[in-house]
Amino acid sequence: GNSVTQMEGPVTLSEEAFLTINCTYTATGYPSLFWYVQYPGEGLQLLLKATKADDKGSNKGFEATYRKETTSFHLEKGSVQVSDSAVYFCALPGDAGNMLTFGGGTRLMVKP
Amino acid sequence: EAGVTQSPTHLIKTRGQQVTLRCSPISGHTSVYWYQQALGLGLQFLLWYDEGEERNRGNFPPRFSGRQFPNYSSELNVNALELEDSALYLCASSRGTGANGYTFGSGTRLTVV
Repeated sequence: GNSVTQMEGPVTLSEEAFLTINCTYTATGYPSLFWYVQYPGEGLQLLLKATKADDKGSNKGFEATYRKETTSFHLEKGSVQVSDSAVYFCALPGDAGNMLTFGGGTRLMVKP
Repeated sequence: EAGVTQSPTHLIKTRGQQVTLRCSPISGHTSVYWYQQALGLGLQFLLWYDEGEERNRGNFPPRFSGRQFPNYSSELNVNALELEDSALYLCASSRGTGANGYTFGSGTRLTVV
C-alpha cells in the first residue's frame, strides 16, 4: 500500500545552514504529496504540496519537488532560521485515497 | 473563516476515568479525522468520520470511540483511561476526500495521572 519513509531526526543545524529532509514514497499511481510542519505545542500545518509528478511545491522559503524517477519528495530550504525549529511530516493519500498516511516525522533544531 | 477548533486545550484525568474531546471542523468540511500523538512519537490514526458515519478505524481498543453530529462536529470518547493514553489528540477536517490534504486543529493535551 501507499507509504512514506522519512529520515530520522533530530536534525541539528546552525542558523543560515542549508536544510534537506529526505522523504521517499511508495504509491500506486501519482497521488498528491504533502509536507506538514508542527511547531512546539501546536497542531500540524500544511507547509506545501505537489499534485503531480515534476511539480514543485514551495512556501516560506521551503521547496520540494515531486520526483517520480526516484520516488522522492525531499524538503529543502536554503537558509534556515531559529524559527524553523519544528517537526516536519511527509504525507500522501493512503490506498483508499480518502485519508493521509504520514511519515514518522523529523525534528529540526536550529541553533543561533 | 474559522479553523478547526478543539476543546478543551488541556485536561488532566485520573486513571480509570472517562474523557470526551470535541472538534468543530471548518465550515463546509464533512470529514473529520482523529489522531493520537504521544510525546516524541509520530501520528497514530484513530478514527475517520464522514457524513455522520465511521469510515475507518485505527488499531486502538474499543474504549476509544466517537461520533459525528449532523453539523459535522465530532466527539472522541475514551473510557477507562490508562496512563499511556497521555498524549496530544489532534483533530483534522477535509472537504470531501482527504486526498487533497487536511486542516488540523491545535489539539487537546490529555494527561492521565
